[in-house]
Amino acid sequence: AQKVTQAQTEISVVEKEDVTLDCVYETRDTTYYLFWYKQPPSGELVFLIRRNSFDEQNEISGRYSWNFQKSTSSFNFTITASQVVDSAVYFCALSAGYKLSFGAGTTVTVRA
Amino acid sequence: DTGVSQDPRHKITKRGQNVTFRCDPISEHNRLYWYRQTLGQGPEFLTYFQNEAQLEKSRLLSDRFSAERPKGSFSTLEIQRTEQGDSAMYLCASSPKAGMTYNEQFFGPGTRLTVL
Repeated sequence: AQKVTQAQTEISVVEKEDVTLDCVYETRDTTYYLFWYKQPPSGELVFLIRRNSFDEQNEISGRYSWNFQKSTSSFNFTITASQVVDSAVYFCALSAGYKLSFGAGTTVTVRA
Repeated sequence: DTGVSQDPRHKITKRGQNVTFRCDPISEHNRLYWYRQTLGQGPEFLTYFQNEAQLEKSRLLSDRFSAERPKGSFSTLEIQRTEQGDSAMYLCASSPKAGMTYNEQFFGPGTRLTVL
């Protein structure tokens, strides 16, 4: 069984602050993929980033960065210099095959 | 280049009625997925197609639910004898067979079902 836990239900920040979203996962599979999706108020899930279980290198893509640590089963996501348009629900997800297992989501509100 | 489309976007029905939703995946994607999302929760997997073959159905998919993908292109999800507990957002996603993005799922805008 696979499980994804996002302990933070809501985060509120002022524009230009950094936001870090926590994600902890459980799986018995040795090969798996981790994802972050964004769901703005319009409702459509937007793919942000993907990481496979063999690659723990942390990267930065624009204002997004992530910290993948297999030792603690964590896959945290950071938005640098947040903007109002970043306001959305963010989901962490895990896949060891074809189906995604999602966390409950973290609602991020960025105030101007 | 069009993404995943779903129709209708909203559906309000009375308890006991049947409803059908349609999903059109990205044209070159051979994998198609249905998920259900209730308020305040993440999406939950319902079923998966590879071409026209339905390869897995979640236990969430009771016998009142049926999904088809007759020609390996669009898919339909039908709910018979709807119940108030069926009220949710129904999301469709697709992914390509191979390549660098083969396991990235691209989601449609969803169909929001309200059962009165």
